[in-house]
Amino acid sequence: LAKTTQPISMDSYEGQEVNITCSHNNIATNDYITWYQQFPSQGPRFIIQGYKTKVTNEVASLFIPADRKSSTLSLPRVSLSDTAVYYCLVGDYTGRRALTFGSGTRLQVQP
Amino acid sequence: GAVVSQHPSRVICKSGTSVKIECRSLDFQATTMFWYRQFPKKSLMLMATSNEGSKATYEQGVEKDKFLINHASLTLSTLTVTSAHPEDSSFYICSARFGGSSSYNEQFFGPGTRLTVL
Repeated sequence: LAKTTQPISMDSYEGQEVNITCSHNNIATNDYITWYQQFPSQGPRFIIQGYKTKVTNEVASLFIPADRKSSTLSLPRVSLSDTAVYYCLVGDYTGRRALTFGSGTRLQVQP
Repeated sequence: GAVVSQHPSRVICKSGTSVKIECRSLDFQATTMFWYRQFPKKSLMLMATSNEGSKATYEQGVEKDKFLINHASLTLSTLTVTSAHPEDSSFYICSARFGGSSSYNEQFFGPGTRLTVL
């Protein structure tokens, strides 16, 4: 399973754009990159998933370079409610194997 | 998105008792469910993979006789913590994978169950 490395924590202010980068040097051909958000005492919530290039949805963008050895989650104009732990996961296409959670990035948004 | 529920959301029990936690996929069939455990300020740790109609596959270091998993239907998996001890106190989270062919790999997580063993 591809291992992921993320910054342990990040601080930001309301209204700013936040970019969280994750490295996954051993990503396999069939692996997708998925980001989850977790609030205290809640289960992780799916944010975005991608395979290559750029993916955008209503809450975030995901940038994946051509070599796919890293990815960047971009949160536009964060608010206090975006304070959470963000996990970058790499998993196979079929989803038949569990996702392996790394340490995650604890994002603290200040007013 | 698909919904996964867990019951109970929190449970307090005495040491030595057994506790059952249910994980249900509410609007889809889940051939595979996963059970995770999370200690305070730590990441999720996979405990076992539960496949409908077959025995669960446990991760190294997880006692299968202590953490009994049953996946009797496509919408329900249960985790029973037998003879619970204070060190079993944790946040237990299940996730479910959509049973049909999917264009991408998304797992849906339940809200978690907080177990406190006194």
